[in-house]
Amino acid sequence: AQSVTQLDSQVPVFEEAPVELRCNYSSSVSVYLFWYVQYPNQGLQLLLKYLSGSTLVKGINGFEAEFNKSQTSFHLRKPSVHISDTAEYFCAVVLNRDDKIIFGKGTRLHILP
Amino acid sequence: DAGVTQSPTHLIKTRGQQVTLRCSPKSGHDTVSWYQQALGQGPQFIFQYYEEEERQRGNFPDRFSGHQFPNYSSELNVNALLLGDSALYLCASSFSRSGNTIYFGEGSWLTVV
Repeated sequence: AQSVTQLDSQVPVFEEAPVELRCNYSSSVSVYLFWYVQYPNQGLQLLLKYLSGSTLVKGINGFEAEFNKSQTSFHLRKPSVHISDTAEYFCAVVLNRDDKIIFGKGTRLHILP
Repeated sequence: DAGVTQSPTHLIKTRGQQVTLRCSPKSGHDTVSWYQQALGQGPQFIFQYYEEEERQRGNFPDRFSGHQFPNYSSELNVNALLLGDSALYLCASSFSRSGNTIYFGEGSWLTVV
């Protein structure tokens, strides 16, 4: 069975500082990897996805993530955060097309002024 | 082009009652999935509908049922509500042949008292 572990439940970071949100997954077969963002009292918005090809994936709002197959990781990074990045971030995997999405428990990004 | 729309946005029910939540997929999408997101948790897959049939189901009791209509819209029904059913219910839609472009609605907040 597939699973997703987000290693930090909360990450505080000063505005304009870099941030990394960690995600590890477990699967015996190839998966597709995603990061979603959830702003307060809103639904989920896709930040970026890895399906195949280049292991460095760029997404919206200046975020990027790197797929590391040997470490089964898909960490999310941003070089300089803004107060508007305050949100919950979810790492997720999908086994194949149209399959169910398995989410991690989320990491709350807290931007300090 | 409207995205995924859900109704109602908020509702309060009493234990033992029944609730119906509705979802209209993004235009052109034919697959609808439902997720439950409890407070402080990642979304959990409930079930997925395609061609008016339940194609996949997560680990949820039979009290949770659904339906997909010929216009691809969908309903989620929960019977005999429990306090633990209080959550944000998210609808996601996709097109079966596009592969992994999944869009989420804003969700329906259900409070069971």
